[in-house]
Amino acid sequence: DQQVKQNSPSLSVQEGRISILNCDYTNSMFDYFLWYKKYPAEGPTFLISISSIKDKNEDGRFTVFLNKSAKHLSLHIVPSQPGDSAVYFCAASDQGGKLIFGQGTELSVKP
Amino acid sequence: EPEVTQTPSHQVTQMGQEVILRCVPISNHLYFYWYRQILGQKVEFLVSFYNNEISEKSEIFDDQFSVERPDGSNFTLKIRSTKLEDSAMYFCASRTGTSPINQPQHFGDGTRLSIL
Repeated sequence: DQQVKQNSPSLSVQEGRISILNCDYTNSMFDYFLWYKKYPAEGPTFLISISSIKDKNEDGRFTVFLNKSAKHLSLHIVPSQPGDSAVYFCAASDQGGKLIFGQGTELSVKP
Repeated sequence: EPEVTQTPSHQVTQMGQEVILRCVPISNHLYFYWYRQILGQKVEFLVSFYNNEISEKSEIFDDQFSVERPDGSNFTLKIRSTKLEDSAMYFCASRTGTSPINQPQHFGDGTRLSIL
């Protein structure tokens, strides 16, 4: 099941710089997209979401961009902080139903 | 901030035994979910539950699995006869039923199930 893909297993960024995490999807029925952050031995923590009627949603240092024609979304974190180091999962759903997750991208923010 | 709680954090069980994983969703939430993550793999949907019945289930969720909301607060996942391949992290999630329909699911910290 490759409906949601995160092609970069890892990303390393310097503190203070921008982190850009990418996600691609194939199912055009998806209408809601989410980003979760996960620390070891914890569950996924909701970070930010976007509905398919929008192309951008911003919450503090976090911005999610959605490009429906390319079936692509990205999460921008600026400025990146060492505490942002975690695994980030992209997820998608249709009509508020089950979430389909990507494989995750491990972000490392170096001081 | 309200959170989803799961117990136990780690469950070790002999193959063939029954196991019950417990979850207390956020109190005003109406939709409940179970997911699992096998080591090194994606988080996978198992089942969703609304209005005291299963609303959707994946092909993983076969006759060995069942869910129940025995009272107003708990949400359980039962595996009747565990197999080695059931070893995974099991996550419970819940979301509100308020409008708009697209609301985030909130996850517990999971139960690590180890089948010996």
